Amino acid sequence: EAGVTQFPSHSVIEKGQTVTLRCDPISGHDNLYWYRRVMGKEIKFLLHFVKESKQDESGMPNNRFLAERTGGTYSTLKVQPAELEDSGVYFCASSQDSYGNYGYTFGSGTRLTVV
Amino acid sequence: AQSVSQHNHHVILSEAASLELGCNYSYGGTVNLFWYVQYPGQHLQLLLKYFSGDPLVKGIKGFEAEFIKSKFSFNLRKPSVQWSDTAEYFCAVNRGDTGRRALTFGSGTRLQVQP
Repeated sequence: EAGVTQFPSHSVIEKGQTVTLRCDPISGHDNLYWYRRVMGKEIKFLLHFVKESKQDESGMPNNRFLAERTGGTYSTLKVQPAELEDSGVYFCASSQDSYGNYGYTFGSGTRLTVV
Repeated sequence: AQSVSQHNHHVILSEAASLELGCNYSYGGTVNLFWYVQYPGQHLQLLLKYFSGDPLVKGIKGFEAEFIKSKFSFNLRKPSVQWSDTAEYFCAVNRGDTGRRALTFGSGTRLQVQP
């Protein structure tokens, strides 16, 4: 089966610009998660979708971040306007069930650099 | 809120040496426990997970982990490491009862195996 796909793999943008990250989960996985790792620190949770609904968005840092999952398939994470501290690697993961009984499958991540 | 501690940030071993990476979590309720590995340039991959049953869990590539509830620990072990085990290892937990389903990660342990 195809894995979790993230696009782009790298993005370099200037402070104040907008960037949109995309995640295509494994087909049939209702649960989709966004995580972020900043500068070698721990991987931190951002939000969790179940189908098209936001189940938990408690990890979103501020209102410059907007996540959507139209139709319950792929998801986008928009950062507008980007700030320097938004730099990091953004990971997406999907799973069949929310507890991870079958594990969570991660994408390769998008490395975002804000200059 | 739960947290995960990985005490070893960087470990250097010679091939054939034994490995033990520490992981402790802080949450008094039911937890599910995971170890993920990220090889250079690749995505996070599941090594093993524990939900219930035998506290000694065997994973892929000869890795195992032991859940010790009284110590809130889930240490990862491998009797004899290979150069190909060079990677970053992440311990993670989620709550098995209610609340957040997403993973809480430790800060990661970078393992370097010298030939």
